Amino acid sequence: AQKITQTQPGMFVQEKEAVTLDCTYDTSDPSYGLFWYKQPSSGEMIFLIYQGSYDQQNATEGRYSLNFQKARKSANLVISASQLGDSAMYFCAMREGLGINEKLTFGTGTRLTIIP
Amino acid sequence: GAVVSQHPSWVICKSGTSVKIECRSLDFQATTMFWYRQFPKQSLMLMATSNEGSKATYEQGVEKDKFLINHASLTLSTLTVTSAHPEDSSFYICSAGTSGRSAYNEQFFGPGTRLTVL
Repeated sequence: AQKITQTQPGMFVQEKEAVTLDCTYDTSDPSYGLFWYKQPSSGEMIFLIYQGSYDQQNATEGRYSLNFQKARKSANLVISASQLGDSAMYFCAMREGLGINEKLTFGTGTRLTIIP
Repeated sequence: GAVVSQHPSWVICKSGTSVKIECRSLDFQATTMFWYRQFPKQSLMLMATSNEGSKATYEQGVEKDKFLINHASLTLSTLTVTSAHPEDSSFYICSAGTSGRSAYNEQFFGPGTRLTVL
């Protein structure tokens, strides 16, 4: 079974609208972390937001928020007031365990295109 | 933030040659470094995890004799693609982990190296 599932290969969104990128995960480890990364065409991986399995509140970082529904094992990324610069690939990733030595498993990504 | 560099940023080589890619943590000591490979329009796939001074742990299906990883110091890891073939053409990305740098223990990614084997 896939550990991280992103079901939206591509999305087109009008500038200034909000967009939700879906991510579901599968793990039996009670300690895990969920990450969202943005990858523009240049290739670098830009960290956006993190949600820990024990966090009581949904994470927020500026225009990014994470809709964490633990029982459903979903961690959707919400981008508010989208901008042209938000056009990129977006990857959801999971770390099983909380240590720095733990590896990340990535989803297949969603290509977001913002339309002016 | 924590900075990770990779060198070279791109390389073109002939089939059969070996290519070395360097990954450096510039402003922190990296206990653990990770090497990923990304084919066009695909996700990042972990190749191996390396800890300073010990042998790398390779993911299933990754040939350790073909992809040699050396983590000689806390700031440098190298990936050598030996006897490269066109199917090894890919985007190789490293990341480094360190404790105490952030609240999330996230990995800090290098900018990637694009390898093209002719």
